[in-house]
Amino acid sequence: DTAVSQTPKYLVTQMGNDKSIKCEQNLGHDTMYWYKQDSKKFLKIMFSYNNKELIINETVPNRFSPKSPDKAHLNLHINSLELGDSAVYFCASRFRGDTEAFFGQGTRLTVV
Amino acid sequence: QKEVEQNSGPLSVPEGAIASLNCTYSDRGSQSFFWYRQYSGKSPELIMFIYSNGDKEDGRFTAQLNKASQYVSLLIRDSQPSDSATYLCAVKGRVTGGGNKLTFGTGTQLKVEL
Repeated sequence: DTAVSQTPKYLVTQMGNDKSIKCEQNLGHDTMYWYKQDSKKFLKIMFSYNNKELIINETVPNRFSPKSPDKAHLNLHINSLELGDSAVYFCASRFRGDTEAFFGQGTRLTVV
Repeated sequence: QKEVEQNSGPLSVPEGAIASLNCTYSDRGSQSFFWYRQYSGKSPELIMFIYSNGDKEDGRFTAQLNKASQYVSLLIRDSQPSDSATYLCAVKGRVTGGGNKLTFGTGTQLKVEL
């Protein structure tokens, strides 16, 4: 009955590989986000989708591509992984205009 | 200038004391302000939000907002060791500019010592 769930929780992969992280929310929210948290705990927004439509796309390399098949899912695909991509990636969701954003448990990505 | 600024700490307070966490933001048109708590290895969880100037109290937590000074703070009374965590300040931008964007500060690490 997890509200926002991400898979996998841990991901260790080699440079140059392509990987995906999946996110699903069962809260009925219409807005979903991807955030990246670096080693210094800075939580930076990457993308935001509202009802499957991309509404925020921060300065993120083209290697990162979000996909929202429906408003309950927002996946993140990363091509040609680099060492600097190592971080914790958080998915979050909320109602547009509502207060609280609920976060998933995070995916710790380690690129070696 | 960072959009949301916090002192990274660590801020150490003795058990039972008041912990004061501060945050400043650059966008004068910001609408809403949030405090999230993040334990090590866990996801952020919302503890307070505030929209209007002044104080908002919830149990041991008080959020204070001063839009003229572009300043928001969080006070934790009777601090407990379980309050030891990183506290993230988040600001929601104006509707026309930032849409639904929540911008986070770098967080302040709080340590409550026995």
